[in-house]
Parts: sequence; structure tokens; C-alpha cells
Amino acid sequence: QKEVEQNSGPLSVPEGAIASLNCTYSDRGSQSFFWYRQYSGKSPELIMFIYSNGDKEDGRFTAQLNKASQYVSLLIRDSQPSDSATYLCAVNSGGGGFKTIFGAGTRLFVKA
Amino acid sequence: DVKVTQSSRYLVKRTGEKVFLECVQDMDHENMFWYRQDPGLGLRLIYFSYDVKMKEKGDIPEGYSVSREKKERFSLILESASTNQTSMYLCASSPTTMRGGYFGPGTRLTVT
Repeated sequence: QKEVEQNSGPLSVPEGAIASLNCTYSDRGSQSFFWYRQYSGKSPELIMFIYSNGDKEDGRFTAQLNKASQYVSLLIRDSQPSDSATYLCAVNSGGGGFKTIFGAGTRLFVKA
Repeated sequence: DVKVTQSSRYLVKRTGEKVFLECVQDMDHENMFWYRQDPGLGLRLIYFSYDVKMKEKGDIPEGYSVSREKKERFSLILESASTNQTSMYLCASSPTTMRGGYFGPGTRLTVT
């Protein structure tokens, strides 16, 4: 069974700190990796995506991939209370297929 | 901005009823998806479509069918609603699965 696993949290960090969110995936052939943010009662919003060829930084967010360990991370620098949400990791199935497999999400709480 | 709309935010139906959930996207995306989201289970793919009149089963298609007669519209049909189909239903679209998806606001369906 192809899976994406995340620690459900909650992960609690103080305002201004770095929040580090992680997920592992089981399909070695996965080519693209996504991070979605979901506020309570809202739908997921795509915030970052990376391909198997490298990491990406966008503002306060950095997505990193460790292919050898099949591990994806999202770093949020200078965390703000507005970053408090559930973060979903998703992985596109290998071979460029249409299926994207989601993790169950990690709840992040940023304390003011 | 990509806009994905869903016909209802909240819906209450009775067991055995036929239920139609509509999704419309305005960005000419090829790919459209229906997910359901349940606490602790994350997002699970029901069906997807990569072209007009094309459809593929996702991970949990039982009890559901779909229709895509026009590129911008993707409908999810519950042939005979059951209480275990009470869930949040999320529609998404994407230009390519390599770049992630854009979600609609969701429909919270309750089957009594």
C-alpha cells in the first residue's frame, strides 16, 4: 500500500520560531511533492510544491526533499499565529500518474 | 486566480436518496478530482477525470459515480446515499498533476 505518513501533532511553537513539519512516503518512484495548508473549516490551499530534483524556498517557507530517506519537510521561518493550521503533505504517484496521495496532516499551533 | 466552486456548502439528505454534487472550475484545467475528507483518515480520492467524458476510479469509488460532460464541470453522484457517506466532499482541479491541485470550498454532506 502506497502511503504518506505524518505526525498528527499538534506541533506547538512560539511566535518567531522555526516550525519544522515532516512526512515520509513509501513510493520510491514519486516525482512531485506538495504541501497544503488547511485552516479549520476551510479547504486545503497549495502553498509549495517541489520536484524530485531539488528543494525550494518561497518567502518564509522552504520545502526539502531527502530521496534516499523518502522524507519531505516543510520549514516555516518566523512563524506567525496566522500560520496555525493543519499542514497536509501530498505525493504524486510515480510515473507521472494522476493520483496524488495525501497524508492525514500535522496540526501546527503558533503561540503569540 | 483559479476559482473552483461547488454547488452547496452544506447538504442534508436521507438514506437512499440520489445525491448530486457539482463542481465548476474556471481555469480551463484538464484534470479534475473528487475527494472526501474524514477525521483521522485524511483526503481520499473517489474519482478523477483527465479529460471530458474520461473518468478513472480513485481509491474509494464504491457507491459513487461521476460525470464530466464539459471541461469545466465535474459532478459526483451518490446513487443511493448511505450514512457512511456522511463526510466533507472536496473537488479539485489542476492543469497538470505535477503541480498540485486547487480545491473548492467543500460540501459538508450529512446523510440521515
